[in-house]
Amino acid sequence: DTGVSQNPRHKITKRGQNVTFRCDPISEHNRLYWYRQTLGQGPEFLTYFQNEAQLEKSRLLSDRFSAERPKGSFSTLEIQRTEQGDSAMYLCASRETGGSYNEQFFGPGTRLTVL
Amino acid sequence: AQKVTQAQTEISVVEKEDVTLDCVYETRDTTYYLFWYKQPPSGELVFLIRRNSFDEQNEISGRYSWNFQKSTSSFNFTITASQVVDSAVYFCALSEAQNTGFQKLVFGTGTRLLVSP
Repeated sequence: DTGVSQNPRHKITKRGQNVTFRCDPISEHNRLYWYRQTLGQGPEFLTYFQNEAQLEKSRLLSDRFSAERPKGSFSTLEIQRTEQGDSAMYLCASRETGGSYNEQFFGPGTRLTVL
Repeated sequence: AQKVTQAQTEISVVEKEDVTLDCVYETRDTTYYLFWYKQPPSGELVFLIRRNSFDEQNEISGRYSWNFQKSTSSFNFTITASQVVDSAVYFCALSEAQNTGFQKLVFGTGTRLLVSP
């Protein structure tokens, strides 16, 4: 399978705990995005990497959120001191090198439930 | 600011009916891109089509067709002879052109399509 993969697919945690999600993009794609999708809504942009550099961050990404892409390949998204409002589907997408025209390919997402 | 509106929250049809999903967008940019994605129950967003703002030609791909009209800022999606497998949530998305290569997709709230046998 050469698509975008995400792990874990589901995560249930208690409020106040830290969680970390992983995204493995399509191998030749140097651009990686994180989005968050709550129930009944469309995905909302969180952050963007070009290779290992984090170039854009949404104001949705509070101080409790941190994302990395240390070697320009896989990426991790960590949420510290989780809150019930963090419950959502976290989607990762990758895009090949080029202009703004080509599409983003999405992974299956990690569904986070904070109790 | 960019905005995408999908006014239809849910549509129910019977198999073989045609159905049109509406998408209206707002942007101040003259160069932008429009996309449609499908999200089946499994959750993974599947790319369907992209269109840039300079290409107003309608497109047909099998049972799918898209009608882009800049004059009304709409990018509607029609499924002909719907099938049960078309049941999913469909999202319209907008991205403004960025010379840096950054592409932030702004999604609508989606339209849930239910196709019954």
